[in-house]
Amino acid sequence: DTGVSQDPRHKITKRGQNVTFRCDPISEHNRLYWYRQTLGQGPEFLTYFQNEAQLEKSRLLSDRFSAERPKGSFSTLEIQRTEQGDSAMYLCASSFNRNGYTFGSGTRLTVV
Amino acid sequence: KNEVEQSPQNLTAQEGEFITINCSYSVGISALHWLQQHPGGGIVSLFMLSSGKKKHGRLIATINIQEKHSSLHITASHPRDSAVYICAVMPNYGGSQGNLIFGKGTKLSVKP
Repeated sequence: DTGVSQDPRHKITKRGQNVTFRCDPISEHNRLYWYRQTLGQGPEFLTYFQNEAQLEKSRLLSDRFSAERPKGSFSTLEIQRTEQGDSAMYLCASSFNRNGYTFGSGTRLTVV
Repeated sequence: KNEVEQSPQNLTAQEGEFITINCSYSVGISALHWLQQHPGGGIVSLFMLSSGKKKHGRLIATINIQEKHSSLHITASHPRDSAVYICAVMPNYGGSQGNLIFGKGTKLSVKP
């Protein structure tokens, strides 16, 4: 197991386009989290899954954002109609219940 | 006011110095994490604490639950310790089941 993998590492997109990011958690981990981090700030919680169920969503997760974890393994985060304010680092983490938190390297999104 | 406050925001030290980074929080928690983030974005978990003190190599983390305060100490600092150190708490209120609340981070630069 190589830890939490995120793909792509970097994404540049034009305003108004849709983007999708993928996160592959540690295989034994039942929980998967998405966070967003802007420059100079700590990460902010977006949403989390326990197995395939999306149990909690932040107010930050507007209608343009959707996340799935269809088989309780990998997860995708889609942003529709991207805006410049969406430019950020999107971090994924996984854990087994509340233990063994492991973060991915993140996907850096730039909206031009 | 942020729920998790770190100090200092920036810290420059000479190689070999003893370093302390502080974290104060205002919510009830079940655990506190110290994380390290290098340029490029990936986050590494250093410690998870719910009480007392933990030591790993040159790193020591302490927590005082009554005072809602934690410290991260680095002994004999080295340029490779240069990174952003982030304090994150796992709140135990409401329906929260594991999402973390992060401080803004302390940027440490250790000069040779």
